[in-house]
Amino acid sequence: TQLLEQSPQFLSIQEGENLTVYCNSSSVFSSLQWYRQEPGEGPVLLVTVVTGGEVKKLKRLTFQFGDARKDSSLHITAAQPGDTGLYLCAGAGGLTGGGNKLTFGTGTQLKVEL
Amino acid sequence: DAGVIQSPRHEVTEMGQEVTLRCKPISGHDYLFWYRQTMMRGLELLIYFNNNVPIDDSGMPEDRFSAKMPNASFSTLKIQPSEPRDSAVYFCASSLLTQGSSEAFFGQGTRLTVV
Repeated sequence: TQLLEQSPQFLSIQEGENLTVYCNSSSVFSSLQWYRQEPGEGPVLLVTVVTGGEVKKLKRLTFQFGDARKDSSLHITAAQPGDTGLYLCAGAGGLTGGGNKLTFGTGTQLKVEL
Repeated sequence: DAGVIQSPRHEVTEMGQEVTLRCKPISGHDYLFWYRQTMMRGLELLIYFNNNVPIDDSGMPEDRFSAKMPNASFSTLKIQPSEPRDSAVYFCASSLLTQGSSEAFFGQGTRLTVV
């Protein structure tokens, strides 16, 4: 079974603070995606990283894929209340191939307060 | 496109009853996924289809669960008989296989409560 562990599980911070969420696995994935989910909605894709060592920036969000393509991190600079939500990493492909099959991480619930 | 459409949004049923969840994927997408989300277990993949053919149903918890995709624009997930532990939010998602990776588009989910 390909497992993706995220840490921390819960995070409550003040507006303006920085934070990092980690996604770790013992498996290699062909690509890794990060999603954000808001209450009552399905997850929505933020970014996809494909190459080991790749870094992508999306405004205040910085995503990194580990060199061995087993782990990833999401860093948010100067968090805002609008960043509140459940952040999920998802690995695609990997040992079982599976083409488009996505295995989701355990999730990080972020709350940003004024 | 209206996105992935799921129905119903909420379902409350009694233990032992049959429950059918419905999904209309985004037109042109060749993959369809059924996920279940709970606080305890997170987002679990139940089954996925490629071009209407079930590829991997190893996540289906028991024989009480079954899924079909009779055509490219419709899929169902059926639970018969339902049990209280089946209470969860069930998501359907679709994607299109492209070079590199593919984004999964999720519906709004069906919140199932079995009492």
